[in-house]
Amino acid sequence: QVQLQQWGAGLLKPSETLSLTCDVCGESSSDYYCNWIRQPPGKGLEWIGEINHESGSTNYNPSLKSRVTISVDRSNNQISLNLTSVTAADAAVYYCARAQALIAVAFYHYYAMDVWGQGTTVTVSS
Amino acid sequence: DIQMTQSPSSLSASVGDRVTITCRASQSISSSLNWYQQKPGKAPKLLIYASSNLQSGVPSRFTGSGSGTDFSLTISSLQAEDFATYYCQQSYSTPRTFGQGTKLEIK
Repeated sequence: QVQLQQWGAGLLKPSETLSLTCDVCGESSSDYYCNWIRQPPGKGLEWIGEINHESGSTNYNPSLKSRVTISVDRSNNQISLNLTSVTAADAAVYYCARAQALIAVAFYHYYAMDVWGQGTTVTVSS
Repeated sequence: DIQMTQSPSSLSASVGDRVTITCRASQSISSSLNWYQQKPGKAPKLLIYASSNLQSGVPSRFTGSGSGTDFSLTISSLQAEDFATYYCQQSYSTPRTFGQGTKLEIK
């Protein structure tokens, strides 16, 4: 199965900034969005945000918006996630995932996350 | 935000059983509903997109249905490799939201 490659620091101290990178998430097409999702230990999936690979426009989860930045480096075809001022509540496995329009019906595009990264475990501890 | 509620939260079944998981959205999301399967220690895997479309490579025993607010995922004849946690996700609007998950366990 095709998998995105992601990397970044896995151990942070409280108040530090989490920085992760995801390789080859999409192409220069408006049909691709690169997402970040996280999963605290033993819990469900939480969407962090997305970036359109062509335009660079972003959408963020309101619960994290004040601390999150997602950016795209088109020259290297990579996307990055920065999350500032981390606390223990930010400890989780972080995934990048590509969302693309898999079907279009009457000009409406239906998106789904069809390719995921392997996940990066982030621990926050003093 | 659109809330996604799955039921049941956990389910015990046997190989060969037919099982159905439901997902309800807090408002209409048309057919913008996806289903994912996650096994321990692994990333989620897309099974069904746009409510009823089978992702390439996914066995045909998986079917999805529904529109508006009510959706379901059915596995027609459980195989050993199907025991996992299943999540629904709406792609209708941001923030994208997931159901809380349904853990499918062996009886």
